Amino acid sequence: RKEVEQDPGPFNVPEGATVAFNCTYSNSASQSFFWYRQDCRKEPKLLMSVYSSGNEDGRFTAQLNRASQYISLLIRDSKLSDSATYLCVVPRGGSWGKLQFGAGTQVVVTP
Amino acid sequence: DAGVTQSPTHLIKTRGQQVTLRCSPKSGHDTVSWYQQALGQGPQFIFQYYEEEERQRGNFPDRFSGHQFPNYSSELNVNALLLGDSALYLCASSFPSGGPQGEQFFGPGTRLTVL
Repeated sequence: RKEVEQDPGPFNVPEGATVAFNCTYSNSASQSFFWYRQDCRKEPKLLMSVYSSGNEDGRFTAQLNRASQYISLLIRDSKLSDSATYLCVVPRGGSWGKLQFGAGTQVVVTP
Repeated sequence: DAGVTQSPTHLIKTRGQQVTLRCSPKSGHDTVSWYQQALGQGPQFIFQYYEEEERQRGNFPDRFSGHQFPNYSSELNVNALLLGDSALYLCASSFPSGGPQGEQFFGPGTRLTVL
């Protein structure tokens, strides 16, 4: 089993709709989680951090389910500019642990 | 405020050759991590440098080596290139206290093609 698994998609979403997707992780000791966004042929950029049960930032909501070991990302009122690949990230190791990336979920918002 | 910069942006090499990629961290950051991103995959951690020493290493062979300079900039060296080394190489910088709880800022990457 991979340490971080994501549905690759693509999730085709009409503009204005809501889309949600999950990420499962294998290390039950993980304490913090991140969602990064990566536009085509660009570098990843941090979208949200998740330290407890969840986090909300505008149209974006991340939720953490420790019992089932998954993190979800929900995007409300999707915009064309939300089209990107969303990478789930789980740090490994101690204080200086490396970031373990999932393969990403592609979201395509259509007019 | 300059972000993370990497050079070169693109590089074409042949099998067996050696390559050196360069990274300058974001101003004020002193920790540099390197990642390899193959097409359609997420970035894979290669190693991390702090205080000019390799602090963490991922599952990459010894052909991959690095260095950090006193000004915190870093180099990634890959020897005996294989076709499978073709990928986007990303450099990310952060504060040491950031660690896994902090944000890593990525550079635009170097796209390496091995023929």
